[in-house]
Amino acid sequence: QSVLTQPPSVSGAPGQSVTIACTGGSSNIGAAYDVHWYQQLPGTAPKLLIYGNNNRPSGVPDRFSGSKSGTSASLAITGLQAEDEADYYCQSYDSSLSGYVFGTGTKITVL
Amino acid sequence: EVQLVESGGGLVQPGGSLRLSCEASGFTVSSKFMSWVRQAPGKGLEWVSVIYSGGRTYYADSVKGRFSISRDNSKNTLYLQMNSLRAEDTAVYYCAKGIAEAGPGGWFDSWGQGTLVTVSS
Repeated sequence: QSVLTQPPSVSGAPGQSVTIACTGGSSNIGAAYDVHWYQQLPGTAPKLLIYGNNNRPSGVPDRFSGSKSGTSASLAITGLQAEDEADYYCQSYDSSLSGYVFGTGTKITVL
Repeated sequence: EVQLVESGGGLVQPGGSLRLSCEASGFTVSSKFMSWVRQAPGKGLEWVSVIYSGGRTYYADSVKGRFSISRDNSKNTLYLQMNSLRAEDTAVYYCAKGIAEAGPGGWFDSWGQGTLVTVSS
């Protein structure tokens, strides 16, 4: 049972912008632990997309951006492209569990 | 270049045991925190266990008392010993290298390709 909640699916046309919300609680995101995002293409391992709420690793396009406020975080994708079709997961740390938590995952479909 | 290569997955009967390995290259496993993350067929990611550079270990409630994480510094390899396996443990198991700036928390910047564990009679 995931501690972080995401919408199951989001869709958009090529070139449009989409946003994925990640809702947590007082022992994870609300406790000032950072939020990180991963992209998982079909049949592959997850890949780090955003770390420390709003930082992109080298090689990740600036079309991807992250933000955090209170007990929630968001991943925004602008200029949606066909290759963005994948599953996206948020991740944080939970002090009550003494462990790491992932979001429920969101499938992005490019129409 | 950082590489993580898992092995040891396979078919095992309920109640059985399996040991997964994750051979690392390009960095020293004892210098970073390392985790196992699993993904059941068609489901999302689930964190399983972590071992910190100092040796402390933590587990998800779903595997506590049954799984054990360890590392062999001489082989630069991470392990996950899985005992008393259940059907619900069926998943692809990934090892992941962690980065933390300070204190608990952090993210996983490198992942292996995963190894499939199937628990079935």
